[in-house]
Order: sequence, then structure tokens, then C-alpha cells
Amino acid sequence: DAGVTQSPTHLIKTRGQHVTLRCSPISGHKSVSWYQQVLGQGPQFIFQYYEKEERGRGNFPDRFSARQFPNYSSELNVNALLLGDSALYLCASIMTGSGANVLTFGAGSRLTVL
Amino acid sequence: GENVEQHPSTLSVQEGDSAVIKCTYSDSASNYFPWYKQELGKRPQLIIDIRSNVGEKKDQRIAVTLNKTAKHFSLHITETQPEDSAVYFCAASRGGIQGAQKLVFGQGTRLTINP
Repeated sequence: DAGVTQSPTHLIKTRGQHVTLRCSPISGHKSVSWYQQVLGQGPQFIFQYYEKEERGRGNFPDRFSARQFPNYSSELNVNALLLGDSALYLCASIMTGSGANVLTFGAGSRLTVL
Repeated sequence: GENVEQHPSTLSVQEGDSAVIKCTYSDSASNYFPWYKQELGKRPQLIIDIRSNVGEKKDQRIAVTLNKTAKHFSLHITETQPEDSAVYFCAASRGGIQGAQKLVFGQGTRLTINP
């Protein structure tokens, strides 16, 4: 079974540009969440989506948006990129209804903003 | 909101010795406490977790203890090996289907095992 897959793995953008990051959850997982991990820090929660609806949002500006598709994949969009948006963006999925509620992370998309 | 403090930020131990990492949390409603290991350039991977209805959990050389009254939990690694070298993160959440995804992470501990 494939784990959580993310694309692209690495990308470089310049300030003011827009970026779209993509995530496919583990098969059977219907809920995904996004985290930002700045170098040297712990991951920070950005969004949670379940059944295509936003179920939670962290303390991030409106430049950050996301959505979930009918096949439960998700994309994270960031507009008007700032240097401070440089980070590893992690997607995670969870098996709903399993009772275990274990979050599994993808390998991440490393964004560099110049 | 929830705040998780993790100590120490760096830890160096001799191979075969034990390592202990401690975390405190602020939200008394938190009831799920996972620990993740992140090797350089890789994804965080769950190594052990504990829920608020238990005080201790063990998995081979790894154990986690939870003190809900004091709002702190700890990771214990015994008989450390070079492959234990990594950054370790504690986290807390309110659990449940939605809450489990809203993990609040500590700042991380860089553990180095010296041969």
C-alpha cells in the first residue's frame, strides 16, 4: 500500500508568486491535514479537511487556502509568497472511525521562496 | 490555545545509556499525546503514543509516561543505539476524529547517540 504521497517534493518560487501543493492520502483515509514545518521547529497545523469540508484552521493568514476533492486528495494553495513561507509542507492523513486516530505524514514538499 | 513545551532542545548520550525527553502542555482537555521521530530530510514518524486513560506505555526500548495532573509527559529510550539519533517531537491534541489531526507540537529535541 502506498503511504501519503505529496508533490512536488521540492520547488523554488520568488516573492509574490503563488504555489499549489498536492497530497494523496492513504487509501481508505478520508481526512487530511496540512502542516508547515520551518527549519529547526516543530510542525504547525494549517488546515484539516474531512469529507471535503474544512474542519479546522490554524493561525495562518488568508493567503493560505486548501481544498479536498471527491477522491479525498487535497491541495494547499499559498498566494503572494513571502520569504517566511519557506518551509517543509507536510500533509497527513488519518483513518476515520478506526478509533486509533493515528496521523501518518507524507514526505513533504520543500518550498524555498527567494 | 494549546501550548506544548519540550526539553531539552539537544541531548547527547553515550550508546547504551538511557535518554529522557520531557514535555508539558497547557490545555487540560488534551487527551492524546504522540511522539514522532524525524530523521534528517525525512518525514516525522510516529514511534509511540499515549492516551489520557493510561499512565504509561512501553514498546520494547521505548516508553512514555503521562501525568495528567501535572500536565506533563515524557519519552524514555533505554539501551540507546546509533540509529536512535534523530529529532524527536512530542505533541498533544484533544483526540477524536477531528481533534486528532490538530496536533500541537513541541519544539523538538535533537538526540545524538555517541558511540
